[in-house]
Amino acid sequence: SQTIHQWPATLVQPVGSPLSLECTVEGTSNPNLYWYRQAAGRGLQLLFYSVGIGQISSEVPQNLSASRPQDRQFILSSKKLLLSDSGFYLCACARGPGGNTIYFGEGSWLTVV
Amino acid sequence: EDQVTQSPEALRLQEGESSSLNCSYTVSGLRGLFWYRQDPGKGPEFLFTLYSAGEEKEKERLKATLTKKESFLHITAPKPEDSATYLCAVQPGKGGGSQGNLIFGKGTKLSVKP
Repeated sequence: SQTIHQWPATLVQPVGSPLSLECTVEGTSNPNLYWYRQAAGRGLQLLFYSVGIGQISSEVPQNLSASRPQDRQFILSSKKLLLSDSGFYLCACARGPGGNTIYFGEGSWLTVV
Repeated sequence: EDQVTQSPEALRLQEGESSSLNCSYTVSGLRGLFWYRQDPGKGPEFLFTLYSAGEEKEKERLKATLTKKESFLHITAPKPEDSATYLCAVQPGKGGGSQGNLIFGKGTKLSVKP
């Protein structure tokens, strides 16, 4: 079975500061990786996905970017955080028949102040 | 527009009191419908995938069913440890894009009192 590690688990950052959230996956190779955000009172929203090293697709325009420097590493970044970037960020990995099932990590809570 | 609506937003049950959670969806071709359980401050935990109308899946006290317009998560004789938020998501079947682009509902928060 696979394991999805995310860190940090919690962080409080001032407006305008940079951000780096990291995700690593164990127990699988060449996985499809995803970043989702869960804001208060809203459903989970897909931000980025990657089908391989250096391949990033963005689902929504925003103040964030993603990178995949290694096969099982996915990074979410921002150069200057906005208050609206606050939320619960979840890294996810696809597996199962046809790579159809999405499994989530434990998440990173970001509060921008 | 692809959309998922879950009801009720919150549900309080007594231990042993069976009930159902609803997930209504509109989607341009359904590749799959997913149910997740999410505990406070944690990532969603996968429960079920349903692919076609009439399909049913069970796990312990939970049973998920699917029609062409909605899915139900039936909870039989719930226990306090079943308390969580239950999320429903659909995967559109339109071509291209990411298989991970799930459209999520806002969830149903279930509380089971002893």
